[in-house]
Amino acid sequence: AQSVTQLDSQVPVFEEAPVELRCNYSSSVSVYLFWYVQYPNQGLQLLLKYLSGSTLVKGINGFEAEFNKSQTSFHLRKPSVHISDTAEYFCAVRGGYNKLIFGAGTRLAVHP
Amino acid sequence: AAGVIQSPRHLIKEKRETATLKCYPIPRHDTVYWYQQGPGQDPQFLISFYEKMQSDKGSIPDRFSAQQFSDYHSELNMSSLELGDSALYFCASSLEQGGDNEQFFGPGTRLTVL
Repeated sequence: AQSVTQLDSQVPVFEEAPVELRCNYSSSVSVYLFWYVQYPNQGLQLLLKYLSGSTLVKGINGFEAEFNKSQTSFHLRKPSVHISDTAEYFCAVRGGYNKLIFGAGTRLAVHP
Repeated sequence: AAGVIQSPRHLIKEKRETATLKCYPIPRHDTVYWYQQGPGQDPQFLISFYEKMQSDKGSIPDRFSAQQFSDYHSELNMSSLELGDSALYFCASSLEQGGDNEQFFGPGTRLTVL
């Protein structure tokens, strides 16, 4: 069965600093991975996805993630964060019948 | 571009009442998914439909039922509501036939059970 583990529940960071949000996955079949962002009281927005091909995936808002099969990881990175990046970030893996299985989420708090 | 529409956006009910949540997928999308996100929790898969047939079922209580209609919109019916049903309910749609199954999420319906 597929699952994801987000290793940090909260990540505080100062504005313009780099950030990495960690995600490890478990899957016995071909893996499709996603990062979603949820701003307060809003829905889920897709940041980026890995389906196949290049292991470095670029997404919206300057985010990128690297698929690492040997370490079963799909960490999300941004070289310089803004206050507006403060949100909840969810890593997800596609499960059977294409449903999404989400991690517990990481709350990114960007401070001035 | 058209997005997934959910209605209502907010709903307040009393315990033991019933609620119906509606989802209108992106035009031409053939698959609908329902997820439940409790306070401070990650979204949990409830149920999905492909071409109006149930395709998968997750942790959905027996008090809940859902269906997808001929126009592809879907409704989640919730009966005998409990306090623990208070959550954000997301609908997502995707194109399975000829698409890459990317799910597009609606804004959610926030259900509060008092």
